[in-house]
Amino acid sequence: DAGITQSPRHKVTETGTPVTLRCHQTENHRYMYWYRQDPGHGLRLIHYSYGVKDTDKGEVSDGYSVSRSKTEDFLLTLESATSSQTSVYFCAISERGSGQETQYFGPGTRLLVL
Amino acid sequence: QKEVEQNSGPLSVPEGAIASLNCTYSDRVSQSFFWYRQYSGKSPELIMSIYSNGDKEDGRFTAQLNKASQYVSLLIRDSQPSDSATYLCARGGGTASKLTFGTGTRLQVTL
Repeated sequence: DAGITQSPRHKVTETGTPVTLRCHQTENHRYMYWYRQDPGHGLRLIHYSYGVKDTDKGEVSDGYSVSRSKTEDFLLTLESATSSQTSVYFCAISERGSGQETQYFGPGTRLLVL
Repeated sequence: QKEVEQNSGPLSVPEGAIASLNCTYSDRVSQSFFWYRQYSGKSPELIMSIYSNGDKEDGRFTAQLNKASQYVSLLIRDSQPSDSATYLCARGGGTASKLTFGTGTRLQVTL
């Protein structure tokens, strides 16, 4: 258990509304990531962070923004949710072990955009 | 061509048999590879990591890496029904320890 929690765990929202998902970690990891997982596409990186206020885009960043104002929290915001953003969202942290960085995942958030 | 490719399955093996899961990748500079197991409705959990050519064993699991052929595999010996899950292959080596995942192979272990 890498000490990662996500909230909410489930959310139903309507098209056009803003949505914020929270990832919280308790072990002071530098790197944090947001992925989405969809059938046939696997896990795709949305955004990642390499420190407080340091973030960058992943492969599917359009329509998403992130913020990291403190080490333990990484927020993912859907500015105006669309049905194509219905997905399962996973947060991950990267931990160094045996000289290599390895990612561990949070429990996920299921988002349904109607 | 996808960066990391896996057969989606399902791969069906009888209990007690060896399950062989395969993954190919297109990036010749990738240095690290990971296998995750994901049960339905759950988050991915790390099973194995491998960084050097050859085999790496951990209990019933063996990861095999062949960088020349751009191929990584996971063998599960004495397969159990509890091994039924989707197995995700991922390659690392990018900046900020980013990973690129395959779409996963669904394994079914039958009684």
